[in-house]
Amino acid sequence: NAGVMQNPRHLVRRRGQEARLRCSPMKGHSHVYWYRQLPEEGLKFMVYLQKENIIDESGMPKERFSAEFPKEGPSILRIQQVVRGDSAAYFCASSLQISDGYEQYFGPGTRLTVT
Amino acid sequence: GQQVMQIPQYQHVQEGEDFTTYCNSSTTLSNIQWYKQRPGGHPVFLIQLVKSGEVKKQKRLTFQFGEAKKNSSLHITATQTTDVGTYFCAGQRAGNKLTFGGGTRVLVKP
Repeated sequence: NAGVMQNPRHLVRRRGQEARLRCSPMKGHSHVYWYRQLPEEGLKFMVYLQKENIIDESGMPKERFSAEFPKEGPSILRIQQVVRGDSAAYFCASSLQISDGYEQYFGPGTRLTVT
Repeated sequence: GQQVMQIPQYQHVQEGEDFTTYCNSSTTLSNIQWYKQRPGGHPVFLIQLVKSGEVKKQKRLTFQFGEAKKNSSLHITATQTTDVGTYFCAGQRAGNKLTFGGGTRVLVKP
């Protein structure tokens, strides 16, 4: 049973370009979460999605950031017109349900560097 | 909104010594989870506590959930170099997403 997969593992973008981060949840998991982590800091919640629905995007910046989890295919976190401050590790996690007691399984992360 | 705080932010430990890290929530939780992230790695689930006053052990790690279900602790005995990493607690209120604390970064001095 493959774990959560993220690609690319490392992504370098110049300021103003777009970054697309992909996440394939564990088999059978329909709940996906995206987190951002700056060096030496904690996990900052960005967005929670189920298939074709955004459930909670309270942690997403209002501009330039968007996320989707289509019926088919991976979840995508899209950052338009990247700036240096977007450089961070972006982790995706999935869970079986959101009901109490379901742990989250994290992917290896995508480390975004904006030059 | 719900806040989860962890202290200390950094823990420098001599190999072989014990230490405790603490997690406090601003609201009553339905459960609390602990994760470990090795340097350069991703968070990995360690354990979940559900009941008030619950205590669980994993080898040298002891996890406790407070009576009021608003705080938790992780105690590590006889620290080893393999314990290096960041330990996150994450609290959940009924039906809501997990809220992660800021983590305790553990450095072990051999």
